[in-house]
Amino acid sequence: AQKITQTQPGMFVQEKEAVTLDCTYDTSDPSYGLFWYKQPSSGEMIFLIYQGSYDQQNATEGRYSLNFQKARKSANLVISASQLGDSAMYFCLIRDNYGQNFVFGPGTRLSVLP
Amino acid sequence: EAQVTQNPRYLITVTGKKLTVTCSQNMNHEYMSWYRQDPGLGLRQIYYSMNVEVTDKGDVPEGYKVSRKEKRNFPLILESPSPNQTSLYFCASSWTVNTEAFFGQGTRLTVV
Repeated sequence: AQKITQTQPGMFVQEKEAVTLDCTYDTSDPSYGLFWYKQPSSGEMIFLIYQGSYDQQNATEGRYSLNFQKARKSANLVISASQLGDSAMYFCLIRDNYGQNFVFGPGTRLSVLP
Repeated sequence: EAQVTQNPRYLITVTGKKLTVTCSQNMNHEYMSWYRQDPGLGLRQIYYSMNVEVTDKGDVPEGYKVSRKEKRNFPLILESPSPNQTSLYFCASSWTVNTEAFFGQGTRLTVV
């Protein structure tokens, strides 16, 4: 069974600073994908970034980058130059390439301070 | 515009009154799924579908039914809703298991 751990229930960051949201995972599958989604207070789920288990380079999407350390089974999200609009819940997800299920972590609530 | 559309967005109903939450996607995705989100429990999968007429149970299927008669639609059916099914529900679709999932805007259901 797959599992995602996000050890930071809540985080604060000053506007324009960088922040790292932690995610560790557990899976016995050799092939899997890791995802990060953002859920603002309005409730929708917004895709941020994807990392495949065989990808050699860390994924980047604009201000988002994923610090993927396969041996440690960690996939931390780095947000550079935080903006007030980044305040939201952030979920780390894992999905194996054979199974059908997204397994969600419990989420981290990020608050960006002006 | 590529999107997943859920209806209704908000619903208050009474115990035992059958209801259907619709989900439709316009991206020709094969894979669709339903989740519920509860405080402290995160998001959990209810049912998923790999293709037309192919559905399977997720982690919390009790009290729910689904159907996939056509590729674009994946309705969630609560035959006899109970208060413990009060939750925020999300439908999602994706091309494959290793591509991003597009989520609907969510349906907030209250069963009294």
